[in-house]
Parts: sequence; C-alpha cells; structure tokens
Amino acid sequence: QKEVEQDPGPLSVPEGAIVSLNCTYSNSAFQYFMWYRQYSRKGPELLMYTYSSGNKEDGRFTAQVDKSSKYISLFIRDSQPSDSATYLCAMSWNSGGYQKVTFGTGTKLQVIP
Amino acid sequence: SAVISQKPSRDICQRGTSLTIQCQVDSQVTMMFWYRQQPGQSLTLIATANQGSEATYESGFVIDKFPISRPNLTFSTLTVSNMSPEDSSIYLCSVPTGETQYFGPGTRLLVL
Repeated sequence: QKEVEQDPGPLSVPEGAIVSLNCTYSNSAFQYFMWYRQYSRKGPELLMYTYSSGNKEDGRFTAQVDKSSKYISLFIRDSQPSDSATYLCAMSWNSGGYQKVTFGTGTKLQVIP
Repeated sequence: SAVISQKPSRDICQRGTSLTIQCQVDSQVTMMFWYRQQPGQSLTLIATANQGSEATYESGFVIDKFPISRPNLTFSTLTVSNMSPEDSSIYLCSVPTGETQYFGPGTRLLVL
C-alpha cells in the first residue's frame, strides 16, 4: 500500500463547477498537509498547507483535513479554465530536523469554458 | 518564498551520455532537494544536498549514477550519468521553507 493515494483522474468539469480533489494516507506521522498545482511544463506551485484537522480557506480554494480518517481534500469553488492543471497532494513529517515530503501522483483537472 | 531557476529547461540526449542540471536559488539555503517526476508517478526524492557535505541519497539512487555538487548556499548541480531511456523524466530541485518546499520549473529530459 502506498503511503499516499490520490485519484489520478483525469477530471473534466464545466466552468463554474465546484471541484473536489481527494487524497488518503496511511502514515500517522504526517504533520503538514499541502496542495500543489502544476501547470503543464512547469514545476509544482504551493497552493495551500495546513497542520490541523478542519478547513482552511483561501479565496476560491478550501483545504480540508480529517486526521481521524486520514483523508484530505481540496475544494475549488467557481472553477475557472485557468484552474486546469495537475493537483498534487503532499504530506510531510519531521525527519532528521527537516520536513520530509511524500507526494501523491496528482489529479489532472480540466475546466471547460 | 524562494525563486528557483533551472538549466537547461529541456534536453534530448543519447543513451550512454551524461547531462548536468543546474539549480540556482535567489537566497541562501542550507538544504536543497533533487526530485524525479516520471509520467504518471509521484515526485520521488533522489537526494538531499547540504552545502559543505556529501549528498544523502534515497533508497534506489546512487552517487555514481546521480552525482551532486553543492559548491555554495545558492547553487547545486545534479548529473544524470550514463543515461538510458529509463532516465527520461522531469528533474526538479526544491528548497525547504519551514513546513513546505518550493520547486524550480524542472528540467525535461528525453533519452533516446
């Protein structure tokens, strides 16, 4: 079993839809939970990160963490064509004094105008 | 945040040759990471490069295949040696910032 499981998609939605992206994990040592966005031919760009269970909102994006279920989600409201990208979940834990990160495989999202 | 650049952005190489990828950061950082991103796969950590010490390699990666240099606090190189088509991938450097990491734009490598 992989430490982090992410539905690879692809996911295709109409503009304005609410998008839900999800990851599950198995390692209870994970401390921080992140979402990266990666446009084609670009490096991953940090969108949001959170530490505790619950919701964290930033504009149209909401990150949700449920540590009891080992489940994290990213919601995108009013999705736009510019949101079309691959979304990577990532989780980190302290290893030797720095945060070591494990990534999901990414979900490819297409928002159709 | 940190601004990270990589060179080259892409390259096509013949099997058996080597390619050196450069990573430049706009601020001094103690630690830099090198990742590989293969199609349909998650990012895989190759090694951690600390300035002034030997790089630490993850399981499955060895120094002879992926030698790393870290001459100062803003620069690192990763060499992919004796390349085979299986080395075709995106190679990314990143730097830690507190709880997270910031990534460079990546180097797309195709080995024929």
